[in-house]
Amino acid sequence: AQKVTQAQTEISVVEKEDVTLDCVYETRDTTYYLFWYKQPPSGELVFLIRRNSFDEQNEISGRYSWNFQKSTSSFNFTITASQVVDSAVYFCALSEGNSGYSTLTFGKGTMLLVSP
Amino acid sequence: DTAVSQTPKYLVTQMGNDKSIKCEQNLGHDTMYWYKQDSKKFLKIMFSYNNKELIINETVPNRFSPKSPDKAHLNLHINSLELGDSAVYFCASSQEGRWLAGDQETQYFGPGTRLLVL
Repeated sequence: AQKVTQAQTEISVVEKEDVTLDCVYETRDTTYYLFWYKQPPSGELVFLIRRNSFDEQNEISGRYSWNFQKSTSSFNFTITASQVVDSAVYFCALSEGNSGYSTLTFGKGTMLLVSP
Repeated sequence: DTAVSQTPKYLVTQMGNDKSIKCEQNLGHDTMYWYKQDSKKFLKIMFSYNNKELIINETVPNRFSPKSPDKAHLNLHINSLELGDSAVYFCASSQEGRWLAGDQETQYFGPGTRLLVL
């Protein structure tokens, strides 16, 4: 069973629009971590945020905000006033500790295209 | 002063050849990883080393052999390359790879090596 689901394969918006990228995860662990990574067209993977399962406080960083809701097993990412430079593939990832070692399970990614 | 670096950035080779990808991190991290990103952008863990010790070995063909000469380096050697090996290979590192006291360290990724097998 897929552990991290990013149902939106591709999203297109016009600059200055707000956009939310969805992430739904599945785990039996009570302790886990969730991540978002950005992969711009240049190809590198850029870390955006880490959130542990005990901290449901939403986080805001500039135009980026994250909404973590354990009740719905979701960790959604919102970009406010999107810009062309936000165009990228965004990955949500889950880390569980049940194996004793940390491994990242990635979703399939959401490609965001912001046009001028 | 790149944190996680990989060489080469691009690798084009013929089927059946043997090739290596190198990874180095200068973050002082104890754990390093290899991930494969396929043509559909799906990222999957292949291997992980903690202080030169192999700790994660996913279902990967034996043609893939990682080697960690020291904790700052993790190389990936691929024998008898096949068309299906074409992908982007990412190296990553984290401070600690073991699940200790529920603390997970963030993995930082290298720029990727784009391998094309013809």
